[in-house]
Parts: sequence; structure tokens; C-alpha cells
Amino acid sequence: AQSVTQLDSQVPVFEEAPVELRCNYSSSVSVYLFWYVQYPNQGLQLLLKYLSGSTLVKGINGFEAEFNKSQTSFHLRKPSVHISDTAEYFCAVRRYSGAGSYQLTFGKGTKLSVIP
Amino acid sequence: EAGVVQSPRYKIIEKKQPVAFWCNPISGHNTLYWYLQNLGQGPELLIRYENEEAVDDSQLPKDRFSAERLKGVDSTLKIQPAELGDSAVYLCASSPTVTGELFFGEGSRLTVL
Repeated sequence: AQSVTQLDSQVPVFEEAPVELRCNYSSSVSVYLFWYVQYPNQGLQLLLKYLSGSTLVKGINGFEAEFNKSQTSFHLRKPSVHISDTAEYFCAVRRYSGAGSYQLTFGKGTKLSVIP
Repeated sequence: EAGVVQSPRYKIIEKKQPVAFWCNPISGHNTLYWYLQNLGQGPELLIRYENEEAVDDSQLPKDRFSAERLKGVDSTLKIQPAELGDSAVYLCASSPTVTGELFFGEGSRLTVL
């Protein structure tokens, strides 16, 4: 079975401070990893993805994430947050499930609140 | 280029009533997904289409939920009859291929009274 654990349901942080949103996954096979952002009353938007290659992945809006295979983690970071980063962030894992199908599993999300 | 379009954005109904949601994916995207997002949770897959074929509907509660994608383009998700526990956001997504990036619509928020 595969699961995605986002360790913090809510993260408050002051404007211009750094932030890290944590994500751990469990899987016995190779996976692809994603972070999505959801602004209030909107759909999900892809922030960044890890498919292969460099374990440090840069995405939109100044976010980056590092894939750590030994710790099965894919934490999201930003060195200096803005008010506009207030949103909910979802980590997702995609793995091949056989017969040409891929299964995408989302974590429960982390609400980032940026405090002025 | 237009994104994934969903309607209605909001729907309030009484329990036991039927409801339908519509999704128009990005042009040329063969793969279409319907996800359920409960409050405080991540999206959960209900059904995935490859063109007009439902290739993964194992999580769709078939006693009351149905979906169709007759011409391999837009899709409809129906609930009949709705129950209180169906209150949630129903998200549609599409991707150019089964391994491609998912693009999400803004969702349809259902409230069952």
C-alpha cells in the first residue's frame, strides 16, 4: 500500500521568514513526487515535480523541494514567504500500479498562513 | 488557452435529490479525472477516463454515483440520490497522457441539506 503523510496540518509563519512544509511517503516501488497549491475556492495548481535526475527541484513562485530517497521525504521549502503564499499545499505521489495505470495519491494538505 | 472548465461552481440541494456536475477538459487531453475533496482532506480519485473508456472506477460508489464521457471530450458526474455525506468539492482534472501533468478545474462545491 502507498500513503502520503503531511506532518503538519497548519503552519503559521511571518512574512519574509523561511518555511518548510514536510511530506513523507511510503512505497515499495519507484515513485514520482509532486507538490500542488490550492488557493481559496480554486482548483489545484502544480508547484513542482520530481521525476528523475537532480534531487533538488525548483518550482514556481520561488518554491523548491528536495527528494530524499533514504528518508522517503519530499519537503517543500521557500526562503522568504509573501502574504500571497497563504494557501493549502498538497504533496502527491504517483506510482505505476500495473496494466498501464498510474495511481496518484494525495496527502491531507498543509495550510500555510503568512502573518503580516 | 482555456483551462479545465467545471460547472456549476456551487450547488445546494436537499438530500435525496439528484445532482449533476459537468466538466470540459483542456482541448486535446485524452485523460480525464474526477476527484472528491472532503473538507480538510486531499483529493481522492473517483474515476479516470482514457478517451471515452472508464479505466479506473474502483473508488466510485456505483450505487448512487455515475459518470459518462460519451464522445471522449466533456464529462458528467451524477449523484442520485444525494446524501448528507456527499457534501464536498468535486474536482475535475485532465492530462494529455496517462503520465502527463494533471490540470485541475476550480471544482464544484456541493452542499446537501
